Amino acid sequence: AQSVTQLGSHVSVSEGALVLLRCNYSSSVPPYLFWYVQYPNQGLQLLLKYTSAATLVKGINGFEAEFKKSETSFHLTKPSAHMSDAAEYFCAVSAGGTSYGKLTFGQGTILTVHP
Amino acid sequence: EADIYQTPRYLVIGTGKKITLECSQTMGHDKMYWYQQDPGMELHLIHYSYGVNSTEKGDLSSESTVSRIRTEHFPLTLESARPSHTSQYLCASSRGGSTEAFFGQGTRLTVV
Repeated sequence: AQSVTQLGSHVSVSEGALVLLRCNYSSSVPPYLFWYVQYPNQGLQLLLKYTSAATLVKGINGFEAEFKKSETSFHLTKPSAHMSDAAEYFCAVSAGGTSYGKLTFGQGTILTVHP
Repeated sequence: EADIYQTPRYLVIGTGKKITLECSQTMGHDKMYWYQQDPGMELHLIHYSYGVNSTEKGDLSSESTVSRIRTEHFPLTLESARPSHTSQYLCASSRGGSTEAFFGQGTRLTVV
């Protein structure tokens, strides 16, 4: 069984400030972890993914995330927020293997960026 | 860029009507999925398919049904819509052995 917990349903930052979105997971097997972004009235776009290679994963739009097995965490960061980063972000876990694409999602974090 | 399409994007329909939400992908992916997303909530897997004539129910129980007659097409049907079916429905696909799922833009369904 797998689960994802995103700490903080809303995060607000100033433009240029550090973005930190928290994600903790639970998985009975080595996990595959993902961050997706959803803009209003749009589908989900993959930001980055961890698939048991490098623990520090770089994604699109300047985002990165670090897999920490000891903390069961996969937090998303970006050094400097931009107004266009305002969206909802979802952390997700998959068991891999034949379960690729069968994702368990967190409840989402809405990121607001202030000028 | 992902090529997965959902129609309609928005649908308002009366209680008791039969509806079909369309999902098509042009990537030749063998695996396809339907997720349901209630407002302000996480996504839940309601159906998936690993190939033609293969369909399974997901983690969240749903009164909807799906079919997979062609690789590229994975429609979702509600025989009798109810207000409790009001939600956003997202379709996704992935290639066998790939870790990445591509999502459509979703259908926002409102049942009045």
